[in-house]
Amino acid sequence: AQSVTQLGSHVSVSEGALVLLRCNYSSSVPPYLFWYVQYPNQGLQLLLKYTSAATLVKGINGFEAEFKKSETSFHLTKPSAHMSDAAEYFCAVSPGGNNRLAFGKGNQVVVIP
Amino acid sequence: GAVVSQHPSWVICKSGTSVKIECRSLDFQATTMFWYRQFPKQSLMLMATSNEGSKATYEQGVEKDKFLINHASLTLSTLTVTSAHPEDSSFYICSAMAPMSHEQYFGPGTRLTVT
Repeated sequence: AQSVTQLGSHVSVSEGALVLLRCNYSSSVPPYLFWYVQYPNQGLQLLLKYTSAATLVKGINGFEAEFKKSETSFHLTKPSAHMSDAAEYFCAVSPGGNNRLAFGKGNQVVVIP
Repeated sequence: GAVVSQHPSWVICKSGTSVKIECRSLDFQATTMFWYRQFPKQSLMLMATSNEGSKATYEQGVEKDKFLINHASLTLSTLTVTSAHPEDSSFYICSAMAPMSHEQYFGPGTRLTVT
């Protein structure tokens, strides 16, 4: 069975500082990996996805993530945090791209002015 | 971008009654929709895959007679929580899969409280 681990439910970052959200996964077959963002009272939006092509994936809003098979990780980064980045972020895995997503518990990101 | 709506956004019902939640893809047709459940401070848990015109596929441990799913059209899937109990109180989220990209677009969720 597949699973996703996201540590630290709340993450505080200063405006302009690096945003780093960690995601580790387990999957019995090559995974597709996703990062979603959720703003209050809105549905999850896709930030970026890895589907077995380039290991460094660039997404919307300046975010990127790197797939590291040896570390079973797919960490999300953004060089400089903006106030608008305050939201909840979810990492998800889909084994072999079968469309059945398993989500991590999410990280609530707070941006400090 | 593609938009998925859910109705209602929140509902309170009495124990023993049934509640229906709608999930609509507003600007695309979705042969496949998904239903998730989210407990406070927990991750989204996939409950079932809803396929237009056929029976839903439920994840292990999800009671199909408790959570009835109907996907009668390409833009609408419904989840009915039957004989609701307080432990069914949760946040229910749907997604609709775009036919070409297979990307899932998520609804804003429905908060169910059973008293």
